Amino acid sequence: DVVMTQTPVSLSVAIGQPASISCKSSQSLVGTSGKTYLNWLLQRPGQSPKRLIYLVSKLDSGIPDRFSGSGSETDFTLKISRVEADDLGVYYCLQGTHFPFTFGSGTKLEIK
Amino acid sequence: EVQLVESGGGLVQPGASLKLSCVASGFTFSDYWMSWVRQTPGKTMEWIGDIKYDGSYTNYAPSLKNRFTISRDNAKSTLYLQMSNVRSEDTATYYCTRDHVEWGQGVMVTVSS
Repeated sequence: DVVMTQTPVSLSVAIGQPASISCKSSQSLVGTSGKTYLNWLLQRPGQSPKRLIYLVSKLDSGIPDRFSGSGSETDFTLKISRVEADDLGVYYCLQGTHFPFTFGSGTKLEIK
Repeated sequence: EVQLVESGGGLVQPGASLKLSCVASGFTFSDYWMSWVRQTPGKTMEWIGDIKYDGSYTNYAPSLKNRFTISRDNAKSTLYLQMSNVRSEDTATYYCTRDHVEWGQGVMVTVSS
């Protein structure tokens, strides 16, 4: 299985400050189609997960452009340019290139 | 509005079987692959498997393939997860999801004697 290593485990960020989360995969996530199926999800407290980003950098509908995704091959990053109170929760990366799909262990974002 | 509503969870004894359901609405269910994902009490997320829109093909996490079966009834817009010979490590919240974009509210399964 592809191992997704996510760091940091947690981070505390003041409102208006940037945040960055890293996700590294144990093998390249470039698929046979040439696409890279790397997603970022947010699970707010008490809620189901919600996808924010797909194909490394594409924002889902309704996701503010404060969020951005980047990376390639095995190294990926989620950035929040200016953290807002609504951003708190646990962020997960998810690879959808290789079966079985696998998740990172999560990064808990707290508001300082 | 897309809705996914899971049901069928609860307390179950080790070795027993359990069938979860997920009723979909707000979209054409038969057009989409559907998946099951579970989240342990420690918040670890695990992909269980998925099923093609017509039910003709499934993929599973190898560690679960022998005990879990995913099926669907497009006439009822319902996704199923049949769990057999359950173990304590199957204790989790089970989610159905469409493309990992739309998620149900989850259903808890607790395996304990």
